[in-house]
Amino acid sequence: NAGVTQTPKFRVLKTGQSMTLLCAQDMNHEYMYWYRQDPGMGLRLIHYSVGEGTTAKGEVPDGYNVSRLKKQNFLLGLESAAPSQTSVYFCASSIRRENTEAFFGQGTRLTVV
Amino acid sequence: DAKTTQPNSMESNEEEPVHLPCNHSTISGTDYIHWYRQLPSQGPEYVIHGLTSNVNNRMASLAIAEDRKSSTLILHRATLRDAAVYYCILRALTSGAAGNKLTFGGGTRVLVKP
Repeated sequence: NAGVTQTPKFRVLKTGQSMTLLCAQDMNHEYMYWYRQDPGMGLRLIHYSVGEGTTAKGEVPDGYNVSRLKKQNFLLGLESAAPSQTSVYFCASSIRRENTEAFFGQGTRLTVV
Repeated sequence: DAKTTQPNSMESNEEEPVHLPCNHSTISGTDYIHWYRQLPSQGPEYVIHGLTSNVNNRMASLAIAEDRKSSTLILHRATLRDAAVYYCILRALTSGAAGNKLTFGGGTRVLVKP
């Protein structure tokens, strides 16, 4: 079982460049999330989605955009990367039920120079 | 979301039990207590959750104080693979994806010595 797959696993960007991180889940989950984790810190929520075609802002949404055109995919975009966006990005998904467990991907390590 | 307080780190010997405390004195009546762990260079993974009663599963046990202001995650026999950061998280019983989001604190880093 693949679960939650993130692409790419590593990336180095120059300041001002753009990129898209892809999250794919094969569990038919309705809810999907993007988090970032800075060194020595817990995860912080960037954006989330309750279903295909819907997205919402989380705790730290500035500088990011998201899209969920298909139920299984959740894309995170950086239009103009900044060094402050250097972080490890995690995608997660869960079924549409309260207090259910979330399944996380392996993460994407992004460095902006 | 109500706040949790955990020790920064703990050490344990292999094959001994590990008791990880979590204080949540401002917990509300509908907050569930969730535990996740994050192994090195991996995403978090679910461990266990509970509301009022103690809970057991194949990974761990969760002991919840009677007043619910604290809880303890118990790893019965620590292995080297249990070395990770353990997060205690409160989740409100709120409908929708926003209710399922997780608010992570700093967690407790567990070191298991052979």
